[in-house]
Amino acid sequence: QVTLRESGPALVKPTQTLTLTCTFSGLSLSTSAIFVSWIRQSPGKGLEWLARIDWDDDKYYSTSLKTRLTISKDTSKNQVVLTMTNMDPVDTATYYCARQGYSSGPFDHWGQGTLVMVSS
Amino acid sequence: QSVLTQPPSVSAAPGQKVTISCSGSSSNIESNYIFWYQQLPGTAPKPLIENNDKRSSGIPDRFSGSKSGTSATLAITGLQTGDEADYFCGTWDNSLSAWVFGGGTKLTVL
Repeated sequence: QVTLRESGPALVKPTQTLTLTCTFSGLSLSTSAIFVSWIRQSPGKGLEWLARIDWDDDKYYSTSLKTRLTISKDTSKNQVVLTMTNMDPVDTATYYCARQGYSSGPFDHWGQGTLVMVSS
Repeated sequence: QSVLTQPPSVSAAPGQKVTISCSGSSSNIESNYIFWYQQLPGTAPKPLIENNDKRSSGIPDRFSGSKSGTSATLAITGLQTGDEADYFCGTWDNSLSAWVFGGGTKLTVL
């Protein structure tokens, strides 16, 4: 059974850098052709795709946030990490990691999400 | 604002049918598969419909999807109180080179 779990700080201050970690179980990042994205949802709002890293280390970013985002993976720990710089209160949201089984497929497995609040 | 447009809310009585629309453009819906997700209160989204009209694993046939041109539709028949949730459409956008979603539609089963 594939599970994803997000972890990171619940509260960050404006201008700080956010680091979120997505830890997998039930599959290996080093042996599976998978595609992992970060998606966020502001309170009461819709979904916003942020970034994706592929099994072969190809990376894709939201055009509007590209300058602030970095996605990476640590196959030895079965983790995908997202950093977002210069956090602002408008970045307050629940951040999800989600997996696609193939490049153009659905997000078929999601983590439970982690709520990040940006406030001084 | 979301790239894909959905009605904010829909409602219907138990046992009835409801449809949820998703409107986009030639660079997203018209050119790529559309996906639908269900988000029950306090939980993460889960896949409902993939590749326009294929039900995801474990999804009953009360749920169906269709696509025509730059729009897509999710239909739910035999409504149950357990169907109360937010529903999102999503697809790849060739111009933005990004996955895009609708703003979500809140379904109320009266």
